[in-house]
Amino acid sequence: DIQMTQSPSTLSASVGDRVTITCRVSQFIDGRLAWYQEKPGKAPKLLIYGASTLESGVPSRFSGSGSGTEFTLTVSSLQPNDFATYYCQQYSSHLSITFGQGTRLEIK
Amino acid sequence: QITLEESGPTLVEPTQTLTLTCTFSGFSLSSSGVGVAWIRQPPGRALEWLATVYWDDDRHYNPSLKRRLTITKDASKNQVGLTVTDMDPEDTATYYCARRPVMGKYYFDYWGQGTPVTVSS
Repeated sequence: DIQMTQSPSTLSASVGDRVTITCRVSQFIDGRLAWYQEKPGKAPKLLIYGASTLESGVPSRFSGSGSGTEFTLTVSSLQPNDFATYYCQQYSSHLSITFGQGTRLEIK
Repeated sequence: QITLEESGPTLVEPTQTLTLTCTFSGFSLSSSGVGVAWIRQPPGRALEWLATVYWDDDRHYNPSLKRRLTITKDASKNQVGLTVTDMDPEDTATYYCARRPVMGKYYFDYWGQGTPVTVSS
């Protein structure tokens, strides 16, 4: 199984800050990584797929990067609506789909 | 507008079988490349992919849970079902259904809000 290590588990930041969340995977996944945003009581929302492709309708302050086994999600200037929990997901094959443990982004 | 909604019991007893239904709208499960998956999240733990059913009736299961899972589809009713046999308190989780949008890519672009399931006697 491919192991996912997402960090940090909690991140405190202020509106306007630039923040970065990291996802490390235990094997090469050829860029097959997605990022999601989740808020309580709401459906998770796809932000990024293919490590760096922004899903339609997602604000451009969100960006994804990385290759090999280390990937990052960056929010360039936090907005009040961005405080949520973020998950990475690797999808290296149809039978290998795993998620990171999540990063809770909270207001400082 | 694409929506998915999960439904099913909120409480099941140990050893029972859980049956969940995902009712979706705004897309067709007959469209080439489309799939609908079930994913769950136990309290305080990571999301876990369970199974996916595809437009061509192919099915993929998480190898660690395969013997307990059955995913079904009724494209005419826009519904996907999931049964989980021999439920255990460790299966307590919020269960989500989600759409796989593109052939060969296994991420999920639309999700339901999830339905909580507690396993307890």
